[in-house]
Amino acid sequence: AQKVTQAQTEISVVEKEDVTLDCVYETRDTTYYLFWYKQPPSGELVFLIRRNSFDEQNEISGRYSWNFQKSTSSFNFTITASQVVDSAVYFCALSAPHGSSNTGKLIFGQGTTLQVKP
Amino acid sequence: GAGVSQSPRYKVAKRGQDVALRCDPISGHVSLFWYQQALGQGPEFLTYFQNEAQLDKSGLPSDRFFAERPEGSVSTLKIQRTQQEDSAVYLCASSLGLAVNYEQYFGPGTRLTVT
Repeated sequence: AQKVTQAQTEISVVEKEDVTLDCVYETRDTTYYLFWYKQPPSGELVFLIRRNSFDEQNEISGRYSWNFQKSTSSFNFTITASQVVDSAVYFCALSAPHGSSNTGKLIFGQGTTLQVKP
Repeated sequence: GAGVSQSPRYKVAKRGQDVALRCDPISGHVSLFWYQQALGQGPEFLTYFQNEAQLDKSGLPSDRFFAERPEGSVSTLKIQRTQQEDSAVYLCASSLGLAVNYEQYFGPGTRLTVT
């Protein structure tokens, strides 16, 4: 079975603080993909990043960075120098490639609500 | 270009009524997914289409739920004899292809409240 766990339900930080959102996943597939989505109050899920299971290089995009560690089945997301506009619910998700029983569909964690206070 | 659109954005139904939720995917996107998001939870997969073919409906919670995409573009999710537990946000997503090399783009969702 595939599962994504986001243990942090809510996080509150003050603007300019760094914050890390944790994501732990379970899968029996050897090839899989991991995602992060942002859901602002408007409700629309916004794609942030996709990583495949063979690429463990960390990635940085502006203030965002992702740490993928296969050994611990984790795909954590760090926001550096947080801003009020970062306030949203963040979802980690998992998917298996074409040909498996979970083709295409995303398995989401329960989400972490991030509140950035001015 | 235009993103995924969904209508209506909000729907209130009395228990027992039938509802139809519409999704207009991004033009040219082959794959279309429906997810259900209960309050405070992550989205859960319902069904997906590749063009007009419904390739997976394993997530539909009961036979009261039915989805179609007859011409391979617009899709409709129908819920018959709505129950209170059907109250949720229904999200539609589309992608260029079926494989996960293509990210899914989500619409704003339809918030269904069953009273």
